[in-house]
Amino acid sequence: GAVVSQHPSRVICKSGTSVKIECRSLDFQATTMFWYRQFPKQSLMLMATSNEGSKATYEQGVEKDKFLINHASLTLSTLTVTSAHPEDSSFYICSASPRVGGRVMNTEAFFGQGTRLTVV
Amino acid sequence: RKEVEQDPGPFNVPEGATVAFNCTYSNSASQSFFWYRQDCRKEPKLLMSVYSSGNEDGRFTAQLNRASQYISLLIRDSKLSDSATYLCVVSLEGMFSGGYNKLIFGAGTRLAVHP
Repeated sequence: GAVVSQHPSRVICKSGTSVKIECRSLDFQATTMFWYRQFPKQSLMLMATSNEGSKATYEQGVEKDKFLINHASLTLSTLTVTSAHPEDSSFYICSASPRVGGRVMNTEAFFGQGTRLTVV
Repeated sequence: RKEVEQDPGPFNVPEGATVAFNCTYSNSASQSFFWYRQDCRKEPKLLMSVYSSGNEDGRFTAQLNRASQYISLLIRDSKLSDSATYLCVVSLEGMFSGGYNKLIFGAGTRLAVHP
């Protein structure tokens, strides 16, 4: 099946620093990828939709200047958490679905392994 | 009201038990429905899609009632390895530029199967 790889799996950073998370689709092209955040015992919340070659679409309440998304190629999207604070500590996870023709397949979404971010 | 609502549990059941999870969704435009399984500190993985006609995969049976906007998952003969959080997921399709589908997740129902 399709594989999405996310790196790093775990990161600890100091407050005020920036952290970059990579999401790669390994065996299919993904013009659209999704970034989620999950706090303990809560559901995955969509943060933003990453679009190859154009600006990301952010969900309401998500600061675009704080969570920078770059989707420079058909297989790579990055999320940069800028000026991280302890409240940004969370599980960040990306996903993508294969596209056939002009439409995303109505099939499962493939998730990266997730990144556990701890800001100290 | 949450877009996708689930009983958070936990459901604590003995091995061999039958357990049922329910889920309701609020957006009648939702077109596709799924159950995902998430183990602790791991990414979600697709368990099964859900169809109006109902579908079964081994010990797992999923049902969809579009009129009631209700989805269910039945697990028979529970195994220890079934312990996980089960996520109800609905998909909104074709409503966004680029043609992508947007997944809306429930908060999940925790299942703990004990010996």
